[in-house]
Amino acid sequence: AQSVTQLGSHVSVSEGALVLLRCNYSSSVPPYLFWYVQYPNQGLQLLLKYTTGATLVKGINGFEAEFKKSETSFHLTKPSAHMSDAAEYFCAVSVSGNTGKLIFGQGTTLQVKP
Amino acid sequence: DAGVIQSPRHEVTEMGQEVTLRCKPISGHDYLFWYRQTMMRGLELLIYFNNNVPIDDSGMPEDRFSAKMPNASFSTLKIQPSEPRDSAVYFCASSYRQGAGYTFGSGTRLTVV
Repeated sequence: AQSVTQLGSHVSVSEGALVLLRCNYSSSVPPYLFWYVQYPNQGLQLLLKYTTGATLVKGINGFEAEFKKSETSFHLTKPSAHMSDAAEYFCAVSVSGNTGKLIFGQGTTLQVKP
Repeated sequence: DAGVIQSPRHEVTEMGQEVTLRCKPISGHDYLFWYRQTMMRGLELLIYFNNNVPIDDSGMPEDRFSAKMPNASFSTLKIQPSEPRDSAVYFCASSYRQGAGYTFGSGTRLTVV
């Protein structure tokens, strides 16, 4: 069965600093992996996804993530944090089989300090 | 495209009343998902449909919850009777295939008093 673990429920960085949000997954089959962002009082928005091919995936707002099969990880990074990046971030893995169903992690709240 | 449309955005109701949440998925998306989000439990999948057919409703908390998808452009989630512990944000999402990811609606914030 697939599962997702996000390490750290809260991460705080200074504006301009590197952002690193950690995600580890468990899957018995090659996974599809996703990062979503949720701003206050809004729905979740797709940041980026990995399905097949290149393991370094670039998304919106300058974020990227690297799929590392050997480490079962899909960490989200951004070289320089902006105040507008403050939000909650969710990692998700697809369930095996052609179901379209995603399993979400518990989320990581990113705080950006001026 | 208008995206996934949910209504109402906010709902306040008294315990014991019936509540109906509505969702219009993106045209052409074959999958529709209902999630509930709370501080304590995070995002929980309640039920999902494929081509209007319920596929997995194992996340529906109890018989008080029911969901329907009478056609490809409309779904409802009903709670009857509602209880204070049902207070949460309910999200609808749609997808056109595995690997495409979801498009979420803006959610319905339900408060049961």
